Amino acid sequence: GAGVSQSPSNKVTEKGKDVELRCDPISGHTALYWYRQRLGQGLEFLIYFQGNSAPDKSGLPSDRFSAERTGESVSTLTIQRTQQEDSAVYLCASSLVASSTDTQYFGPGTRLTVL
Amino acid sequence: DAKTTQPNSMESNEEEPVHLPCNHSTISGTDYIHWYRQLPSQGPEYVIHGLTSNVNNRMASLAIAEDRKSSTLILHRATLRDAAVYYCILRSGGSQGNLIFGKGTKLSVKP
Repeated sequence: GAGVSQSPSNKVTEKGKDVELRCDPISGHTALYWYRQRLGQGLEFLIYFQGNSAPDKSGLPSDRFSAERTGESVSTLTIQRTQQEDSAVYLCASSLVASSTDTQYFGPGTRLTVL
Repeated sequence: DAKTTQPNSMESNEEEPVHLPCNHSTISGTDYIHWYRQLPSQGPEYVIHGLTSNVNNRMASLAIAEDRKSSTLILHRATLRDAAVYYCILRSGGSQGNLIFGKGTKLSVKP
């Protein structure tokens, strides 16, 4: 079946501009996660959504970052007034439910370059 | 979630078994041990997870020490496609959230 998809696959923007990254999770998955991976580094957690519960925003690095999710479907990650340090691959993952044994399925990521 | 320690890199020859170690000396009784891997230019993918007993699936085996302070991911017959960064991650029994990724082990497979 279809996996997690993300768009765009690549995004180049100028410093100070806003960007929106999209994630389409696997149908039926109630949990959705956003991570960031800087070049040569491990993944950093940003935010996760579980059903209708309030999202866990504890990983967002600044108030320039925000995310929304419509029901149990698509999610958008917005970065306002982008900075060069925001350059990274942004990865989205989804799982059936959020639990200690869930399997997270990752999308291919969006590579963001801030000039 | 408790911390894990893995070697930065390992090398293997194609078609030979690979044993990837992970130390987690501060693991608690309800922590699950998860392994993910990330192939070049791709998102991570799930490999295997376990609690106390050894686990096998089509991708790999997970051997868990009796005291649970360490575990080993076993690839029975490495292929070139197995070249990736392998992450060992602990998830507590009450955890309902994100995975915490360390630096992982970069596995190189030589033909």
